This record gives sequence, structure tokens and C-alpha cells, in this order.
Amino acid sequence: GQQLNQSPQSMFIQEGEDVSMNCTSSSIFNTWLWYKQEPGEGPVLLIALYKAGELTSNGRLTAQFGITRKDSFLNISASIPSDVGIYFCAGQNYGGATNKLIFGTGTLLAVQP
Amino acid sequence: NAGVTQTPKFRVLKTGQSMTLLCAQDMNHEYMYWYRQDPGMGLRLIHYSVGEGTTAKGEVPDGYNVSRLKKQNFLLGLESAAPSQTSVYFCASSYRGSFGYTFGSGTRLTVV
Repeated sequence: GQQLNQSPQSMFIQEGEDVSMNCTSSSIFNTWLWYKQEPGEGPVLLIALYKAGELTSNGRLTAQFGITRKDSFLNISASIPSDVGIYFCAGQNYGGATNKLIFGTGTLLAVQP
Repeated sequence: NAGVTQTPKFRVLKTGQSMTLLCAQDMNHEYMYWYRQDPGMGLRLIHYSVGEGTTAKGEVPDGYNVSRLKKQNFLLGLESAAPSQTSVYFCASSYRGSFGYTFGSGTRLTVV
């Protein structure tokens, strides 16, 4: 089945550092979403992007919908210990019959105080 | 509101045993989904439902069955568990016209 390529697989950083991760697909999507999963919990939606080239922020998080519609990027500025978790990108063709999301393989983020 | 509730949270099965995972949502969502999460694989869609009484296969449906007899519930069944089905299972739901899903907190299943 289709999956999105997400990189890096893991990151181990110091508190205060900035973080960048990206997601690429072989097919286009009309919506990109970024989720965060904390230990023992389900993924929670962070940011949704609705059109190519869009740049959207949510606090210290900024995400971009790639111009080609085949990629997306997430940046976290000035990381803090509570940023720890797994970050997933997801592509969706909103308006389709099923609303299905295709998920990336995830980026594990560890932040050392 | 509880959102999406999954039961049980943890389960250990012996190879060949059967079990049913229950997902319940109280948001009146039309669509419901079952995913499995494995290290390095992300979330993969097992089955989904776009309405009461309807189900469809996702990417990795083999070895699983589902039923949606009531709009608020989506059941995932394993008829004969195998070690390859050791995973964390997530249920999610959404409105027909919404972006993204609401997830439950997961069921960790180990098959020995």
C-alpha cells in the first residue's frame, strides 16, 4: 500500500534547538496534515494545510504545503522537553468518498533538557 | 465528551485465539477507521467504514474482520491470532466533510 516517506526517522536534540522534518509522496494530495503522538496515546492533529504553497503556524510549529503537492515540511522552533513524541505527516484527498489518510513512517523526537 | 474510546487497552493472546476490539465514538461521526502501528511502519489502514452497516478493506485487511452495526461503534475482530498481528491498534473517526481524524488512545495487542 501507499506510504509517505518521512525523514529523519529520529532526532535527538538539546532543548532550545530548532527542528525540521519533511515528508514526500509519489502522488499528489490536496490536504497535508501533521500529527503528534505522545507515549501511550493516539495521534493528535497539530496543523492542517489546504493548498499548495501554504505556510501555516501553530505557536512554535510552522508547516508548509509543497508547491508540487507531493511534499510537506514541519519546523519546530526553540524546542522544549514536552515536544518529545512521534510526529507523523499525513496526506489526504479531501472530498473523496472515504476521507482516507495516508500516513508517513514517523519522526521520533527526543529533547534533552 | 469522551471522543473515541477503545477497549481493551492491553491484551495478550495465544496463537490461534480470537478476540474483538471495540471502538466507540460519541461525536456522531459518519466515518470510522482501524489502523495498526508498527515500529518504522507508521500507521497502516486495516479496514474502514463510511456509515452504519458498511465496511471496506484498507491496505492490510488480511486476518481481520470488522462490523459496524451501530453508527457509534466499530468492531475489529481477529478470528485466529498470529504473532504477526502483534501491534498497537488505533481506531479513528471523522465527519464526512472534515479534514483529519480523531484518534482513540490505542490497544496494545501481543500474540505469543
